[in-house]
Amino acid sequence: DIQMTQSPSTLSASVGDRVTITCRASQSISSWLAWYQQKPGKAPKLLIYKASSLESGVPSRFSGSGSGTEFTLTISSLQPDDFATYYCQQYNSYSSITFGQGTRLEIK
Amino acid sequence: QVQLVQSGAEVKKPGASVKVSCKASGYTFTSYGISWVRQAPGQGLEWMGWISAYNGNTNYAQKLQGRVTMTTDTSTSTAYMELRSLRSDDTAVYYCARGSVYGSGSDYMDVWGKGTTVTVSS
Repeated sequence: DIQMTQSPSTLSASVGDRVTITCRASQSISSWLAWYQQKPGKAPKLLIYKASSLESGVPSRFSGSGSGTEFTLTISSLQPDDFATYYCQQYNSYSSITFGQGTRLEIK
Repeated sequence: QVQLVQSGAEVKKPGASVKVSCKASGYTFTSYGISWVRQAPGQGLEWMGWISAYNGNTNYAQKLQGRVTMTTDTSTSTAYMELRSLRSDDTAVYYCARGSVYGSGSDYMDVWGKGTTVTVSS
């Protein structure tokens, strides 16, 4: 299976900050990467697919970039609603889907 | 609106089976597939497998092969996930999510159910 590693595991930031979360794949996955946001007790919500395509209805302060093995999710100006856990997910492998371990974004 | 509505919480004893349902509405059920993803308490997301609602093709995570079966009922636009020989480490929230209808289901998931809590305890 392709392993996905996110960093950092926890990120402390303030409203208005620009933050970046990194996701690395154990082998090239082209641009077959998605990002999700999950709040406590809720289902994950799709933010970004194909590494950089913004899902409909997602605020433009969210952006994704990267290809191959290294990817980033950037939030340009943190809003109170953005404090949550973020997961990357690869869908390059024909046989399986794998998620990163998650990055918890908390208020500083 | 597009939604996936899951069945209610379950409590099972070790060794038992559980069957979770996921009813789709607001879109053409057979134009998509359904993946199942679980999340143990305080842990991350684990993909369990996928079923095409078009032709019933399945693709299961290797670690669950032999214990999991995914099915669909196109007459009611409902997907099902059955997990057998339950163990305590199967305690988790189980999510269904909409994805690709073709291939092996390796795709992103754009619509998610709210989750079904399955507790395995003696």
